[in-house]
Amino acid sequence: AQKVTQAQTEISVVEKEDVTLDCVYETRDTTYYLFWYKQPPSGELVFLIRRNSFDEQNEISGRYSWNFQKSTSSFNFTITASQVVDSAVYFCALSVEYGNKLVFGAGTILRVKS
Amino acid sequence: EPEVTQTPSHQVTQMGQEVILRCVPISNHLYFYWYRQILGQKVEFLVSFYNNEISEKSEIFDDQFSVERPDGSNFTLKIRSTKLEDSAMYFCAISDRALGELFFGEGSRLTVL
Repeated sequence: AQKVTQAQTEISVVEKEDVTLDCVYETRDTTYYLFWYKQPPSGELVFLIRRNSFDEQNEISGRYSWNFQKSTSSFNFTITASQVVDSAVYFCALSVEYGNKLVFGAGTILRVKS
Repeated sequence: EPEVTQTPSHQVTQMGQEVILRCVPISNHLYFYWYRQILGQKVEFLVSFYNNEISEKSEIFDDQFSVERPDGSNFTLKIRSTKLEDSAMYFCAISDRALGELFFGEGSRLTVL
């Protein structure tokens, strides 16, 4: 069975601070996909990134970066120079090879204060 | 422009009533999913649908739930006799392939009184 753990329930930072959201996953499958989604106060789920298990390169997209480490089963998400608009709930999710059934973590509430 | 739209955005219903939530993809996608998020909790998989049949469902998706694409476009989730614990945000998601990018709709909030 798959499991995703986001140990940080809530994080508060001041604008312009860097913040890292942790994600630890469990699966016995060798092929799997990891995702991050953002859920702003309006409620929709916004896709941020998908990474497959064979690609351990870190990725950077603007102020966002992701650190995938298979050795520690982690897929952490860093926001550099946070902004108030980054305030949201962030979900890490996992899917295995067959089908797109995502298993979500409990989410981390990020509050960025001005 | 969202890939998928959902209606209604919010529905309030009495316990025991039937509810139909609709999902309309903008373009031709082949894989459809419903997820549920009880307020303040994690997002949970309900069901996946491909080629006009259910491909996988979770233990949450019991006999009270059903899905269909009645006109080849709309993808619907029906809850036959709603219970208080069905109150949640229901998200439709679509993909153009089995492991393609998953686009979520904006959600339909269901409140059962």
